[in-house]
Amino acid sequence: GAGVSQTPSNKVTEKGKYVELRCDPISGHTALYWYRQSLGQGPEFLIYFQGTGAADDSGLPNDRFFAVRPEGSVSTLKIQRTERGDSAVYLCASSLGAGGPNEQFFGPGTRLTVL
Amino acid sequence: LAKTTQPISMDSYEGQEVNITCSHNNIATNDYITWYQQFPSQGPRFIIQGYKTKVTNEVASLFIPADRKSSTLSLPRVSLSDTAVYYCLVGDLLYSGGYQKVTFGTGTKLQVIP
Repeated sequence: GAGVSQTPSNKVTEKGKYVELRCDPISGHTALYWYRQSLGQGPEFLIYFQGTGAADDSGLPNDRFFAVRPEGSVSTLKIQRTERGDSAVYLCASSLGAGGPNEQFFGPGTRLTVL
Repeated sequence: LAKTTQPISMDSYEGQEVNITCSHNNIATNDYITWYQQFPSQGPRFIIQGYKTKVTNEVASLFIPADRKSSTLSLPRVSLSDTAVYYCLVGDLLYSGGYQKVTFGTGTKLQVIP
């Protein structure tokens, strides 16, 4: 079956610009996560959605970062006024969201480069 | 969140068994231990998860001692395609919604040598 997909796979932008990164989770998965991964580091948690609501956004680094999931499926991570330090791979994951241990299925990521 | 410590890198020859140990001294009662594998340019992939004692699946085994302050991922007879970064995670688990907030460390970079 289809896994988690992310678009675009690569995004190059200039400092100060606005970008949107899209995540399509596995069908039926109610939980969705965004992570950011810098070179040589493990993924860093950004935000978690259960359904349409952001249940935990404690990982968002500042108010330039925002994410939505209006219909409880596709999610968009939005970054305003991009900075060079935002350059990283942005990973999306989804899980069933039901009770019990939940395996997170990751997408391939979007590589963001801010020039 | 419980912090984890694991070796930065390991080398192994093809066909050997590889054991990667992770320390998590501050693991909480509700925490599960989960291992993920990540190949270059891909997202992490779930390998195995456990709470205590031993768990085995078709890919690996996970050994967790009684005090749960450490765990060991065992990969039998590794091949070149097992070259990847392996992450040990401990997560707070809220069953009512299945939310598992986890923290990835830097992982262990396993290099399998022919």
